[in-house]
Amino acid sequence: GEDVEQSLFLSVREGDSSVINCTYTDSSSTYLYWYKQEPGAGLQLLTYIFSNMDMKQDQRLTVLLNKKDKHLSLRIADTQTGDSAIYFCAESIRSNDYKLSFGAGTTVTVRA
Amino acid sequence: DSGVTQTPKHLITATGQRVTLRCSPRSGDLSVYWYQQSLDQGLQFLIQYYNGEERAKGNILERFSAQQFPDLHSELNLSSLELGDSALYFCASSTTGGAGGYTFGSGTRLTVV
Repeated sequence: GEDVEQSLFLSVREGDSSVINCTYTDSSSTYLYWYKQEPGAGLQLLTYIFSNMDMKQDQRLTVLLNKKDKHLSLRIADTQTGDSAIYFCAESIRSNDYKLSFGAGTTVTVRA
Repeated sequence: DSGVTQTPKHLITATGQRVTLRCSPRSGDLSVYWYQQSLDQGLQFLIQYYNGEERAKGNILERFSAQQFPDLHSELNLSSLELGDSALYFCASSTTGGAGGYTFGSGTRLTVV
């Protein structure tokens, strides 16, 4: 995942919004993904965005893509304790057979 | 249930031993990917198979090997195990190309003692 970078930790208060950031280096990225990993579980696909989109909203989740800066963010509104997990950003590139490159993951801790 | 099945869920074995981890991909998916997740190294891509053939190799040690069978299930073989091989091993599957991303199994936790 050296082409995808994320901050490692985020602490947020219950009820506040969380914003997880990610930067990627390959400007030809086709799709960008957010995965969630709860303790002891596998990675679960949360949402993805096609590279020609700027924003995608899905209930409490908002994905913003800034192609110029190669920056992707995931906003979680009204963060709950069940949102405590590791969040992985990933990119896929059509020319690389859509193989995913993952970031190192951001550990989100929700405090009461 | 993601549709990707990994067995066993937990495995404890001694150094020097050999183990086999098994993965059944989601129905219809032709690609299988293996990942290793450890505390100090994060999520590391090991190897990919597509319809029975090796498609890509990542940071896979020579002591590790994998294969994908005609029924598309895959096995990851880990031999001459060392303490440092203790990790979560994930299998993921995908269809060919497109926006679907990968579907992950729940992983096999390997502990080498």
